[in-house]
Amino acid sequence: AQSVTQPDIHITVSEGASLELRCNYSYGATPYLFWYVQSPGQGLQLLLKYFSGDTLVQGIKGFEAEFKRSQSSFNLRKPSVHWSDAAEYFCAVGTDKLIFGTGTRLQVFP
Amino acid sequence: SQTIHQWPATLVQPVGSPLSLECTVEGTSNPNLYWYRQAAGRGLQLLFYSVGIGQISSEVPQNLSASRPQDRQFILSSKKLLLSDSGFYLCAWSVGQETQYFGPGTRLLVL
Repeated sequence: AQSVTQPDIHITVSEGASLELRCNYSYGATPYLFWYVQSPGQGLQLLLKYFSGDTLVQGIKGFEAEFKRSQSSFNLRKPSVHWSDAAEYFCAVGTDKLIFGTGTRLQVFP
Repeated sequence: SQTIHQWPATLVQPVGSPLSLECTVEGTSNPNLYWYRQAAGRGLQLLFYSVGIGQISSEVPQNLSASRPQDRQFILSSKKLLLSDSGFYLCAWSVGQETQYFGPGTRLLVL
């Protein structure tokens, strides 16, 4: 069955600290991979995507993600978190129809 | 550039009342259109998607229906709302199988 797992429901980090959000997937073939961010009461904003090619992809707001085929993972990273990064982050996989993880809520302390 | 609109932004409806949520896209032609629901503490659940006018695929059997009367208009409806229909409804568009872009959402509370 196709699925996306985000094992961390809630993560708290200090401003300036590094961040890694985990995403593992189960899919029949290599899917397209996405990370979205959602601020409270808002829609989803695309952070980055992987279709093919270089497995390390750069996104907006200083985020990057690495696709590891052998681990079926697509973890999101940021070297130094800002208070404005506090939000909910969703990993998604698929092609025309996306499967979303349940999200990771990021809290940032000053 | 492309933009996507949803309205209303917030809606409070009694149980048993009808529902109509609207989504429109500007700046692109023949987009794929999607309706998702996001319940509290959960990810997004795909409800309907459409690849063209009048072409609707339902992903989850339920109390809701969708229509696409125009190329860039997608409507989510219900004849009688249930308490369980409460949630955050998101519309999205894509060109083919490329990236999906989301609207601002409609928060629905059924009382």
